[in-house]
Amino acid sequence: GEDVEQSLFLSVREGDSSVINCTYTDSSSTYLYWYKQEPGAGLQLLTYIFSNMDMKQDQRLTVLLNKKDKHLSLRIADTQTGDSAIYFCALGGYNKLIFGAGTRLAVHP
Amino acid sequence: DTEVTQTPKHLVMGMTNKKSLKCEQHMGHRAMYWYKQKAKKPPELMFVYSYEKLSINESVPSRFSPECPNSSLLNLHLHALQPEDSALYLCASSPLRHTSTDTQYFGPGTRLTVL
Repeated sequence: GEDVEQSLFLSVREGDSSVINCTYTDSSSTYLYWYKQEPGAGLQLLTYIFSNMDMKQDQRLTVLLNKKDKHLSLRIADTQTGDSAIYFCALGGYNKLIFGAGTRLAVHP
Repeated sequence: DTEVTQTPKHLVMGMTNKKSLKCEQHMGHRAMYWYKQKAKKPPELMFVYSYEKLSINESVPSRFSPECPNSSLLNLHLHALQPEDSALYLCASSPLRHTSTDTQYFGPGTRLTVL
């Protein structure tokens, strides 16, 4: 079955860039997603990338997709304290999402 | 507008109670989902409704009973729950275009505590 892996924790200094990584085993998904979850809240769709793209930029967010290595990353430029949250990568399918375990991003001054 | 709303925000119930969780979306989406999320874990899919019909039940115990009264509303009826059912219950919806994927939008969740 599909497997999606993420590192569990990332700590960065405010103003630095954060890079959250995700690797997966199944390459049949058309879209790959990044969701953000703040404490006690639901999942917020941050961004997504179509599987035939290598990169997508959206303001402070940059998504890189390496299909050969089955590696997805999310870069957050100029990380702020409000970016502290859990970030889930997810592989999209029809009526389903396969989630990674989530990476907790901690931003410190 | 990509908003999915859920009520109540918090719910505390005893093991003999009957309660319901509600979810609503007005984006014209034709698929709606219930997920259960335990602390520090990703969401786990429970049920999917497609065109108001139950299309996926991930072997969820019968003490959880979903209902989709119309294309905008989704309920989850709860009865005789166990303390281990305490979790964040998330609702999501998606347009259900007939492609190989379908972007899901999540609500804020209901924090359920079973005593």
